[in-house]
Amino acid sequence: DIQMTQSPSTLSASIGDRVIITCRANQNIATWLAWYQQKPGKAPKLLIYQASTLEDGVPSRFSGSGSGTEFTLTISGLQPDDFATYYCQHYNPYPYTFGQGTKLEI
Amino acid sequence: QVQLVESGGGVVQTGRSLTLSCVASGFTFSSHGMHWVRQAPGKGLEGVAIIWSDGSKKYHADSVKGRFTISRDNSKNTLSLQMNSLRVEDTALYYCVRESLTGGYMDVWGKGTTVTVSS
Repeated sequence: DIQMTQSPSTLSASIGDRVIITCRANQNIATWLAWYQQKPGKAPKLLIYQASTLEDGVPSRFSGSGSGTEFTLTISGLQPDDFATYYCQHYNPYPYTFGQGTKLEI
Repeated sequence: QVQLVESGGGVVQTGRSLTLSCVASGFTFSSHGMHWVRQAPGKGLEGVAIIWSDGSKKYHADSVKGRFTISRDNSKNTLSLQMNSLRVEDTALYYCVRESLTGGYMDVWGKGTTVTVSS
């Protein structure tokens, strides 16, 4: 199975900051990567797929990049609503696996 | 609107069985692959099982293989997860999740149903 490793596990930031979350795969996954946001008590929400394509309705301050084994999620100009846990996930081939999550806190 | 509603969770003892259900609405259920994803308390996300849109293929995570079975009834817009020989480590919030039409990413999530396995 492909292993996904996120860093950091926890990230402290302030409103207006630019933050970067990294996700690494232990095998080449091309751009078969998605990012999800999860708030406490809520289901995850798709933010980005194909490594860099923004899901409809997701604010443009979110962006994704990378290919192969290294990927990043960037949030430019943090808003109060962005404090949450973020997960990466590869989706080819099966089994799809998630990173362990990055908790973004104030 | 597009919606997934899970049910069937509860508290059970180790070794017992439970069946989760998910009713889909607002989209063409038979066109989408479907997943069960779980999240243990305070932990991350774990894919449990996937079933192809027509039910022709299924995959189960190694952690549940031989104990859990995913199935679907496209005539009733329903996804199911039969869970046998439950273990304490199966305790989690179980999400029903839609796979997108254009790839394996998960674009619609239900609110989840909680399974608690006690010894």
